[in-house]
Amino acid sequence: RKEVEQDPGPFNVPEGATVAFNCTYSNSASQSFFWYRQDCRKEPKLLMSVYSSGNEDGRFTAQLNRASQYISLLIRDSKLSDSATYLCVVNLGGTYKYIFGTGTRLKVLA
Amino acid sequence: GAVVSQHPSWVICKSGTSVKIECRSLDFQATTMFWYRQFPKQSLMLMATSNEGSKATYEQGVEKDKFLINHASLTLSTLTVTSAHPEDSSFYICSASGRGIGQPQHFGDGTRLSIL
Repeated sequence: RKEVEQDPGPFNVPEGATVAFNCTYSNSASQSFFWYRQDCRKEPKLLMSVYSSGNEDGRFTAQLNRASQYISLLIRDSKLSDSATYLCVVNLGGTYKYIFGTGTRLKVLA
Repeated sequence: GAVVSQHPSWVICKSGTSVKIECRSLDFQATTMFWYRQFPKQSLMLMATSNEGSKATYEQGVEKDKFLINHASLTLSTLTVTSAHPEDSSFYICSASGRGIGQPQHFGDGTRLSIL
């Protein structure tokens, strides 16, 4: 089993739709969690950190479920510009070790 | 805030050349920097982790004599691909995280390296 797993997609959704991605992690010592987006042939950009109580940034909402060991990202009112690969990143507590998921590809269609 | 600059963006050079890539944190002190490579349509692959003032920790299968990493200050790390060959052609990306464990990584723009 991979340490961090994501559905690779692609998720094809119409503009305005709400879409959610999950990311599961296997190491219960994981402490910090992040969502990044990566556009084709570009570097990953930090979208948001994921906090225990859940957090929201505009149209984006991140949740953490420690009991089931997954994090989620919800995108409301999808825009064409949201089309990208979304990477889940997990940091193992007390270490500089970060585990990247393979990413979920989102295509928002006009 | 949290800007990481990587230079150069593109390198095209002949086989056998050594190539140096710089990664700078512009507005924060980066105690830890990471170097990745990414092939088309593949995931990021961590090459090495470096902490300021100490030797880099290389991932399994990454030749430390081939990929020289120097992290001499809290704002600068360099990756030198020595005697590069066509199979070293890839997208190299650095990232940096600030003080404290568990901080998010901030990525440079990446360097596209093509060895002819």
